[in-house]
Amino acid sequence: AQSVTQLDSQVPVFEEAPVELRCNYSSSVSVYLFWYVQYPNQGLQLLLKYLSGSTLVKGINGFEAEFNKSQTSFHLRKPSVHISDTAEYFCAVSLANQAGTALIFGKGTTLSVSS
Amino acid sequence: DTEVTQTPKHLVMGMTNKKSLKCEQHMGHRAMYWYKQKAKKPPELMFVYSYEKLSINESVPSRFSPECPNSSLLNLHLHALQPEDSALYLCASSQTSRRVGQPQHFGDGTRLSIL
Repeated sequence: AQSVTQLDSQVPVFEEAPVELRCNYSSSVSVYLFWYVQYPNQGLQLLLKYLSGSTLVKGINGFEAEFNKSQTSFHLRKPSVHISDTAEYFCAVSLANQAGTALIFGKGTTLSVSS
Repeated sequence: DTEVTQTPKHLVMGMTNKKSLKCEQHMGHRAMYWYKQKAKKPPELMFVYSYEKLSINESVPSRFSPECPNSSLLNLHLHALQPEDSALYLCASSQTSRRVGQPQHFGDGTRLSIL
């Protein structure tokens, strides 16, 4: 079965520092991966997606992620974070079954950026 | 601004009340989803509609009744809810649920409190 594991539940970081949020996936077939961000009192916003092709994926707000098949990872990175990046980040995999497709989310990583 | 609109933003109801949550999208998407999200947890899939037909029901109690009147609208009818049903209810849409890798677009959710 396909699943994703977010390795850190909380990541505290200072403003303008680089950050990496880790995500590992398990899948025996082609995998489609996403990163979503959830700001307080809001829904989820798509940051970026990996469907195929280049393993380095660029997203919105200066975020990027690298798909690594050998390490089964899809880590999210940003070279310099802002206070406004404080939010919950979810890694997700697209799962197909006979009834259709759905997103399976990791447990989330809370990014806290302080000055 | 989100392209998926949910109303109301907040709802407080008693256990004997009947209420409905509404979701609307005008992106031409043919798949719509309901998720339940508890605090500090990832969204959990409840229902998937594909071309206005229910395709996935994740063993949700019958006190939650979904309805898809047309391709742009999705309702969630609530009746005799329990305190543990208090949560953020998120609606999402995608172009289709018949192909893996489709990103989902989320609304900002309805925060439901059961007294």
